[in-house]
Amino acid sequence: AQKVTQAQTEISVVEKEDVTLDCVYETRDTTYYLFWYKQPPSGELVFLIRRNSFDEQNEISGRYSWNFQKSTSSFNFTITASQVVDSAVYFCALLSYNQGGKLIFGQGTELSVKP
Amino acid sequence: EADIYQTPRYLVIGTGKKITLECSQTMGHDKMYWYQQDPGMELHLIHYSYGVNSTEKGDLSSESTVSRIRTEHFPLTLESARPSHTSQYLCASSPRQGAGDTEAFFGQGTRLTVV
Repeated sequence: AQKVTQAQTEISVVEKEDVTLDCVYETRDTTYYLFWYKQPPSGELVFLIRRNSFDEQNEISGRYSWNFQKSTSSFNFTITASQVVDSAVYFCALLSYNQGGKLIFGQGTELSVKP
Repeated sequence: EADIYQTPRYLVIGTGKKITLECSQTMGHDKMYWYQQDPGMELHLIHYSYGVNSTEKGDLSSESTVSRIRTEHFPLTLESARPSHTSQYLCASSPRQGAGDTEAFFGQGTRLTVV
């Protein structure tokens, strides 16, 4: 079975603080993909990053960084020096082809960055 | 920018009406998905498709039905709308496995209200 857990329902920070959003996943497959999406108040989902199960290299893109650790089945997302525009709901997702190829999402973490 | 479109964006309809939510993509993606998202944020997979004439039910039971007669089109139909169907419906598409990038692209969603 596949499962994605985002234990943090809501996080509130003050602008310029660093914040980490946690994601823990479950899958029996050895080949899978992990994603992070951002959902601003307007409602659409915006793709942020993709990682495949064979690539544990961490990635940094501007103020965003991702830490993928297979040993703990985690794919955490850190925003450095947060800004008000980062306020959104963030979703972690898992795609595991041997489990029917379904893309499943975690519960989402609502991030509020206050000025 | 992703080329996946949903219409209508907003729909208010009376109980018992038949409705079809449209979703079209111009990226030639084989896989398409429908998600239901309630105000509690979580995205639930209700239908997906691997390609033409392929449809599968997702993890959340839904009274809606889908069809995939053309690659680019994946409409969702409710034969008799009820207030419990009030929600946001998000359509997504992604390439098949082995076709390079695997991330799903989302439409802007349809906010359905059944009164």
